[in-house]
Amino acid sequence: QVQLVQSGTEVKKPGASVRVSCKTSGYTFSAHGVSWVRQAPGQGLEWMGWISAYNGNRIYAEEFQDRVTMTTDTSTSTAYMELGSLRSDDTAVYYCARDAATVVTGYFDYWGQGTLVTVSS
Amino acid sequence: QSVLTQPASVSGSPGQSITISCTGTSSDIGGFNYVSWYQQHPGKAPKVLIYEVSIRPSGVSTRFSGSKSGNTASLTISGLRPDDEADYYCSSKKSSGSLVAFGGGTKLTVL
Repeated sequence: QVQLVQSGTEVKKPGASVRVSCKTSGYTFSAHGVSWVRQAPGQGLEWMGWISAYNGNRIYAEEFQDRVTMTTDTSTSTAYMELGSLRSDDTAVYYCARDAATVVTGYFDYWGQGTLVTVSS
Repeated sequence: QSVLTQPASVSGSPGQSITISCTGTSSDIGGFNYVSWYQQHPGKAPKVLIYEVSIRPSGVSTRFSGSKSGNTASLTISGLRPDDEADYYCSSKKSSGSLVAFGGGTKLTVL
């Protein structure tokens, strides 16, 4: 069965960076893109960007373009999201989600369990 | 502020039907048939209910249906059940900028 398992809770200070991993299994990694979506406490969903597991092409949301880096490791079927220059308003649960297609559609058929990132001095 | 506009809350009684709207523009909902709907229970990851406007993934109840007219998409839940109480989000592909937009979410209360 398809699974996306994310790394654990992180606590970071303002200005630091955080790297969240998303280990996938149960499907051909290169056949789907992976998006990252975050949710601040009590707030809605926010799309951060997408990476192709086939060729590494990336599309970042404008808001995060200067601070986010998405990568994949095809040898371990794992996707990574690194967010830098952290601020208190980056405190959120970060989800990885499999895009059902090989291109960006917004149809996310499987989701990781979420990783809580807290930014606090 | 979300690109797609949803009502903050809706409510209904068990057995009734409700509809949640999601309004965008010709650059997102009106321009693509890539509208999805997600259900999220507290503390859980979202779960897809509808994709490509009106298609239900395997395993999703037929009580959930989607449609689109112009720049507005809709999710209808029929035969409301207590466990339908959750937050619901629409999403759409966009033509530029951030290529995926979400609605602000709608809290469904089953009275």
